[in-house]
Order: sequence, then C-alpha cells, then structure tokens
Amino acid sequence: GAGVSQSPRYKVAKRGQDVALRCDPISGHVSLFWYQQALGQGPEFLTYFQNEAQLDKSGLPSDRFFAERPEGSVSTLKIQRTQQEDSAVYLCASSLDETGGGGGELFFGEGSRLTVL
Amino acid sequence: GQNIDQPTEMTATEGAIVQINCTYQTSGFNGLFWYQQHAGEAPTFLSYNVLDGLEEKGRFSSFLSRSKGYSYLLLKELQMKDSASYLCAGGGFQKLVFGTGTRLLVSP
Repeated sequence: GAGVSQSPRYKVAKRGQDVALRCDPISGHVSLFWYQQALGQGPEFLTYFQNEAQLDKSGLPSDRFFAERPEGSVSTLKIQRTQQEDSAVYLCASSLDETGGGGGELFFGEGSRLTVL
Repeated sequence: GQNIDQPTEMTATEGAIVQINCTYQTSGFNGLFWYQQHAGEAPTFLSYNVLDGLEEKGRFSSFLSRSKGYSYLLLKELQMKDSASYLCAGGGFQKLVFGTGTRLLVSP
C-alpha cells in the first residue's frame, strides 16, 4: 500500500482481555517499530524488527506484551490480560533503512487507540 | 542514558516566526529528527540533522549543535494549519527516542 496501515483504529477491551493489533508496513521496508503513545506524551519505544528478526524488545513494559513479524512484513502486537494502564495509542512505523531510524526517516501509521475499561 | 527536553506548549500568531528548542543528552547519538503530529494523526517527518548547522526546507528550518546537545525548529510565516505538536527525536541506531512534544497553538 501507499502508507503504513494499522488495524483496528480503535479497540475497547475489558480488563483481562487479550488484544491483537496489526501493522502492515510499506512494502519493502526492512525496519519496523512499535511505539506506545500516552495522551499528551511523545511516542515511547516498545520494540524493533529488522525483517523477521526482533532485534530489540527492551521497551516492552511487561511479559504481557508480545510482538512478532514472522515473514518480515506484517507485524502483530499482542497484549495479554489487558490492564487499564495499557490504554494508549499504539503506533507502528517502518523504515527502508536497515539502520532502523539512525539515518532513515520513519513512516508512521495512524495508530491503534486502545481503551481498557 | 537518553533524555530529550522540549517546552510543553507555545503560542504564536498567524504570520509570525516561532522557534521550538530541544536539548538532549544521548548516548550513541546518530542524528536528530523533528516530526509534526496533528491531534489524532500519525507523526510525519519534518527534518533530520546529523551535522552541525542549519537545514532549510521551505518555511521550516532545523538547527543542530552537537557539542551543545541542542537543536531548534524554526517555523516562518505561520499558518493556522501549523497548530500541532512538534516532536524532537534522537538517539542511536535502531531506537529513536522522542521528547514529549511541544504543542504549538497558532491564533489569528
């Protein structure tokens, strides 16, 4: 597609439910990132993929968060047993540059807004 | 560690010039980015500086001083559509760290 596509755009979950957020990056982009953005804050790094390899997951807040990119294109961020503090916008970004943003522009999707009740 | 600081909010009038400052302490620094984010939308790329100096791109310019850990974004001939958050971001390979963003309000 022309840009980074994320789905669902909006997700309401009851506390304790599992959710899965999908990211379809720009075709051919090597690097893929997930960021979490709370209201009024900047995006905070969660995890980074280079093709199918997850090279950095240091930003994942707990072991309830899991991300994968099995074929090096589409990625899924899964949150198990959601809690209210997980409410945020989850942004996916991709980059052609395999240095992962060190020199390459990031292209962001519009995000998935998760609200946990 | 990595720490990026920028003002929370600024106001300006249409047609004016505004400068948004950003200071940073980063390890493995590899350039500094500015992104624009309208409310409810995705951040979009504005500029990237890796060398000291001023980069000009139309109404927007960005400056970097690596020795001072300082950058600014300069917006000229402000328009109402420039009301948005401006995110300063920097860091090393494979992990871009964002500031909290500066919300710019442009009034008529």
